[in-house]
Amino acid sequence: GQQLNQSPQSMFIQEGEDVSMNCTSSSIFNTWLWYKQDPGEGPVLLIALYKAGELTSNGRLTAQFGITRKDSFLNISASIPSDVGIYFCAGQLRGNKLVFGAGTILRVKS
Amino acid sequence: DVKVTQSSRYLVKRTGEKVFLECVQDMDHENMFWYRQDPGLGLRLIYFSYDVKMKEKGDIPEGYSVSREKKERFSLILESASTNQTSMYLCASSLTWTSGTTDTQYFGPGTRLTVL
Repeated sequence: GQQLNQSPQSMFIQEGEDVSMNCTSSSIFNTWLWYKQDPGEGPVLLIALYKAGELTSNGRLTAQFGITRKDSFLNISASIPSDVGIYFCAGQLRGNKLVFGAGTILRVKS
Repeated sequence: DVKVTQSSRYLVKRTGEKVFLECVQDMDHENMFWYRQDPGLGLRLIYFSYDVKMKEKGDIPEGYSVSREKKERFSLILESASTNQTSMYLCASSLTWTSGTTDTQYFGPGTRLTVL
């Protein structure tokens, strides 16, 4: 099936630092999504991107839909302890099926 | 408030047992999904359903079947559990799909299944 390459696999950062993660694919997607999964919970949607080049913010989170439609990045500014979790990118081609990246595990040192 | 519930948070079964994982959503969503989540592999789609009694295979359907007799309930069945089916299983639902939009998939808390 289609593959999304998400990096980095994990990050261990100091509170207050900015975080950046990205996803790339050999396939073109119509929509890019970023989810966060807290420990012991299911993933929750953070940001949805619908157009190539689109830059969208949600509080301290900013995500962009790459111009080629084959990549996306997520930035978190001024990280705080509750940002801990696993972040997943997902691409949607058509219908309601999503393809997920392997996830980025974020740990924050206070 | 949107709600997707899964019947168990933790389950331990023996090899060869038949296992039922239940998922219920209270949002009147058309679409329901079953994923498994494994470290380093992300979420992989097992089966999905876009209507009652309708189902489609996802990327890794082997060893699984599903049942959707009512709109709010989607069951994942492991006919004969094997150790390589030890995983976290996540159910999700979404409203519908129309061209040019994405309907958010809402996830349940997951069931961690261990097959001994």
